[in-house]
Amino acid sequence: AAGVIQSPRHLIKEKRETATLKCYPIPRHDTVYWYQQGPGQDPQFLISFYEKMQSDKGSIPDRFSAQQFSDYHSELNMSSLELGDSALYFCASSLGEDRVNEQFFGPGTRLTVL
Amino acid sequence: AQSVSQHNHHVILSEAASLELGCNYSYGGTVNLFWYVQYPGQHLQLLLKYFSGDPLVKGIKGFEAEFIKSKFSFNLRKPSVQWSDTAEYFCAVNAKGNNRLAFGKGNQVVVIP
Repeated sequence: AAGVIQSPRHLIKEKRETATLKCYPIPRHDTVYWYQQGPGQDPQFLISFYEKMQSDKGSIPDRFSAQQFSDYHSELNMSSLELGDSALYFCASSLGEDRVNEQFFGPGTRLTVL
Repeated sequence: AQSVSQHNHHVILSEAASLELGCNYSYGGTVNLFWYVQYPGQHLQLLLKYFSGDPLVKGIKGFEAEFIKSKFSFNLRKPSVQWSDTAEYFCAVNAKGNNRLAFGKGNQVVVIP
């Protein structure tokens, strides 16, 4: 079965650079979530989209922005990168934004900021 | 905001031993509860979930969890582990009104053959 696809899987950037992470949800899934997992930390919710509109916002820095496109894929744009942004970024998708709907997770993008 | 606590972050046990991982959450309202597993090099996968009804839920691979509302707990159990259960286990919760998941810090479980 098709799963959530994230690209790139690994990304290395310098401080103050920008990065774009992409997430392709499971076909027919209309809701996308982004989570950030720092080293040794639990995943923290960043932001979510339902039907191309932002549906919830968590602890996402102002330097980050995200959107969901007409084909339901989502991109997380990160600017003025800081060392503390080094983390594993997970994307998840679900069918519908109801809280009882299972979120299916992608493999993550590991971002390293030097 | 809801928060989730998991204890004993590193667990080492032998095959056939029983496993129990504790999970406590802090939120007074209606919640959904989840256990996710992350095998080495793989993505998070859902083990089981609780929404309502029977507080004892059974998941995949012989895992089960019990929701005890009075204790705000959702502990995960498996009577007899296998080497292939070596993984990291995350408890998660979402609350009425939003669908974001709040995760615990995870339990790294190593099963020795």
